[in-house]
Amino acid sequence: DTEVTQTPKHLVMGMTNKKSLKCEQHMGHRAMYWYKQKAKKPPELMFVYSYEKLSINESVPSRFSPECPNSSLLNLHLHALQPEDSALYLCASSQDAPDRANAKNIQYFGAGTRLSVL
Amino acid sequence: EDKVVQSPLSLVVHEGDTVTLNCSYEVTNFRSLLWYKQEKKAPTFLFMLTSSGIEKKSGRLSSILDKKELSSILNITATQTGDSAIYLCAVERPTGNQFYFGTGTSLTVIP
Repeated sequence: DTEVTQTPKHLVMGMTNKKSLKCEQHMGHRAMYWYKQKAKKPPELMFVYSYEKLSINESVPSRFSPECPNSSLLNLHLHALQPEDSALYLCASSQDAPDRANAKNIQYFGAGTRLSVL
Repeated sequence: EDKVVQSPLSLVVHEGDTVTLNCSYEVTNFRSLLWYKQEKKAPTFLFMLTSSGIEKKSGRLSSILDKKELSSILNITATQTGDSAIYLCAVERPTGNQFYFGTGTSLTVIP
């Protein structure tokens, strides 16, 4: 099973709303990721959690707030977003092997949440 | 700055044709290079390549890394309409858990 589940599939929110995106995996992966993908562009890394600790924040604005409650779950809390934040938000997970050169650290992706900010 | 560039940006072929997609990277001491296929939503994993240079194959798809040229190719033989998608390559940085995606190649296979 290589499934990463994201909810909701679609989300429309106003600029003053607060909402959350959720991601779940049961592959025993210890690294989880948030990406943002605009139309016809590649995914852009936002955050990485390794063993439930935030290890990488790619200078993402504070209106995006990640949370990793346990090793299977990853949330992305959204507040005061701008229309330009409208995009497909992808979650991914991988085994996490930062110290093992030959480890197969393959990322598996969820189907994404299509976010529209009005 | 780390860079991953794919070419061509888009490609239109007829069913049965063979295509070669390219990915070049400027990532110091990368750990691995991965190929993904993205149709409507989630990128799905195709291959993982490392500096061992071993070719990977799965059905009509194959891929190999050229460590000297800092590049990888993805070959698809006897293309089918179901191969129409965006093909992404991603390079993992040496510290691990940091993947950078290329620009993608949009492949359209016409019946």
